[in-house]
Amino acid sequence: DTEVTQTPKHLVMGMTNKKSLKCEQHMGHRAMYWYKQKAKKPPELMFVYSYEKLSINESVPSRFSPECPNSSLLNLHLHALQPEDSALYLCASSPGQGTGAYEQYFGPGTRLTVT
Amino acid sequence: QKEVEQDPGPLSVPEGAIVSLNCTYSNSAFQYFMWYRQYSRKGPELLMYTYSSGNKEDGRFTAQVDKSSKYISLFIRDSQPSDSATYLCAMSADPGGGNKLTFGTGTQLKVEL
Repeated sequence: DTEVTQTPKHLVMGMTNKKSLKCEQHMGHRAMYWYKQKAKKPPELMFVYSYEKLSINESVPSRFSPECPNSSLLNLHLHALQPEDSALYLCASSPGQGTGAYEQYFGPGTRLTVT
Repeated sequence: QKEVEQDPGPLSVPEGAIVSLNCTYSNSAFQYFMWYRQYSRKGPELLMYTYSSGNKEDGRFTAQVDKSSKYISLFIRDSQPSDSATYLCAMSADPGGGNKLTFGTGTQLKVEL
C-alpha cells in the first residue's frame, strides 16, 4: 500500500481564518513533506520532517506552521493567509532509509482558496 | 539556467505510439531520478525510480539515465488515452541534500484515439 491521505480535499478560507491541513501515511515512512503547487507549475518544497524533526524549512512565511505529532501524521496550520497562497497543497512521504530511501509518494492534495 | 530542463509540450500522439519524454540537468551531484505522472487537479503519482545510470523497465514504461550526458528519458510503449497527463521528472542528490527533489517543469502529454 503506497497511499498518502490528505484532508480536506477542498478548503475555502478568509484571510483572517485559522485552519489546518492534515496528512497521514501508514507505510512506515520516516520522512514527510509539504509542497505547494500552482497551476501548470511543478511542486515547490515547503517543509521536510525527518524522523519527526523539522529538517528543512524553505524560508516559508510564518503564516504557515507545520507540525508532526507522530511518524504517521503531518499537519499544516494556516493563519492570516493571503489570496496568493491559493494553491494545491501536497503532502508526500518517503522511507528515509534503505533501498528506495528517496522515493517520495504524494497524496491527492488539498485545494486551498483564500478569499 | 535551470538545474533541470524539461520541454513543457504539449505533446500530442496517436494511440499506440511510442512516447519519449526527456529531461536534461546540470547538477552532476544528482544520483536519484524519478518520473511522476500527474492528472489534472490530482497529486503526482510515482511511476519510476532509478539510482545512478542505466535502464529500468516496468510494464509499458522504461526509464533511462545517462549521467555522462546528464540526460534522462521515459519511454511509454503502446500509449493509451489514459496516459494523457503531465509527466514530471525529479532528481535528488546525495542524502546530505536533505531529501530535496528538484523537479522539471513537466511535459503535458495527450494521447488521441
